[in-house]
Amino acid sequence: EAQVTQNPRYLITVTGKKLTVTCSQNMNHEYMSWYRQDPGLGLRQIYYSMNVEVTDKGDVPEGYKVSRKEKRNFPLILESPSPNQTSLYFCASRRGQGQTEAFFGQGTRLTVV
Amino acid sequence: AQSVTQLDSQVPVFEEAPVELRCNYSSSVSVYLFWYVQYPNQGLQLLLKYLSGSTLVKGINGFEAEFNKSQTSFHLRKPSVHISDTAEYFCAVSEYNTDKLIFGTGTRLQVFP
Repeated sequence: EAQVTQNPRYLITVTGKKLTVTCSQNMNHEYMSWYRQDPGLGLRQIYYSMNVEVTDKGDVPEGYKVSRKEKRNFPLILESPSPNQTSLYFCASRRGQGQTEAFFGQGTRLTVV
Repeated sequence: AQSVTQLDSQVPVFEEAPVELRCNYSSSVSVYLFWYVQYPNQGLQLLLKYLSGSTLVKGINGFEAEFNKSQTSFHLRKPSVHISDTAEYFCAVSEYNTDKLIFGTGTRLQVFP
């Protein structure tokens, strides 16, 4: 079954404690992205990747890092989380640009206290 | 730069009534348009998309949308809603040959019995 898998689904952490949210897709897609969803703001792109070892900033990259060492994996790293990063995070993958649809993971609800 | 506006943050409607969720976009080039649905505690899934050709696009679960280039709109409609249609709906735009998929702020559809 084609899917994007994120882990964990729920995470509560303390300010400053490094964390990683994993994302994996089994569709051999080139494009992968991370979004955060906040009430009234919709989905905003954090980082995206066009292929292995190729990443670029989205609209809200501050406080986040990503890596793309393998095509299927695109982890999101918060080196020093802060309360304003409390949000719902989604990983998505696309086969290509433009007209191709995005496939989303189930989401990770992160709370930073 | 491209942007997406969903004017209605919430749309309450009774079961079996028709519904229209509005979406307007701005872009200086050709675009591809998408509607996604997010059920509670789930990721986003594609409802329908407009790539080219007929301006009336049919999607899953009885939804349809009409692309209007002169009004830069892509409104989503359903002639008769069900309780199970209660969800958040996102309009998204992607420009030709770009990596970015820009989302609106979402419309919460609440269907009452």
